[in-house]
Amino acid sequence: DVKVTQSSRYLVKRTGEKVFLECVQDMDHENMFWYRQDPGLGLRLIYFSYDVKMKEKGDIPEGYSVSREKKERFSLILESASTNQTSMYLCASSFTGGNQPQHFGDGTRLSIL
Amino acid sequence: GNSVTQMEGPVTLSEEAFLTINCTYTATGYPSLFWYVQYPGEGLQLLLKATKADDKGSNKGFEATYRKETTSFHLEKGSVQVSDSAVYFCALSDWGGTASKLTFGTGTRLQVTL
Repeated sequence: DVKVTQSSRYLVKRTGEKVFLECVQDMDHENMFWYRQDPGLGLRLIYFSYDVKMKEKGDIPEGYSVSREKKERFSLILESASTNQTSMYLCASSFTGGNQPQHFGDGTRLSIL
Repeated sequence: GNSVTQMEGPVTLSEEAFLTINCTYTATGYPSLFWYVQYPGEGLQLLLKATKADDKGSNKGFEATYRKETTSFHLEKGSVQVSDSAVYFCALSDWGGTASKLTFGTGTRLQVTL
């Protein structure tokens, strides 16, 4: 079974802090994704990576950056956390191909105070 | 751009009732279509998929047929159980030249009661 592991289930940080969310997958997937999930808005793509050190912006990249130094690990960085970044963050991974499903981690519920 | 529209929830059903959750999409080309399920406190799990017109995806008693003529991918189950209570997301894939991205609907919450 594919395993996508997010480092924290719950996280509380303060405004202005630099926040790191980590994600690891064990299936040698080329692609990795970061989403945020908010009530009534569904899932929105923040960034994705199609190879090591390669990244592309998703629909809502403002206020975020990412890092992918190794194939299995994809980090989401909130450069200076703000209260409007309080949300559920979901990581996913997949093989390349239009019919390849994405496999999700259990999510990190992040609160910015 | 691509978009997915799902019926508003919550949907409340009695156990053993028939379930339909509507999903329609707008897309260029020929996307693959997916249904994901999210149980409380968990991430999304792939429920089923269909990759071309008239394909039927099925899993755990759930079914959905890729209807190109009506741009729909409605989820159905003949007899729901309390354990099916969850949020269901319809999604389509979009090949962006570097990776396939998913566009999600806003989700439909299903509550099944005894």
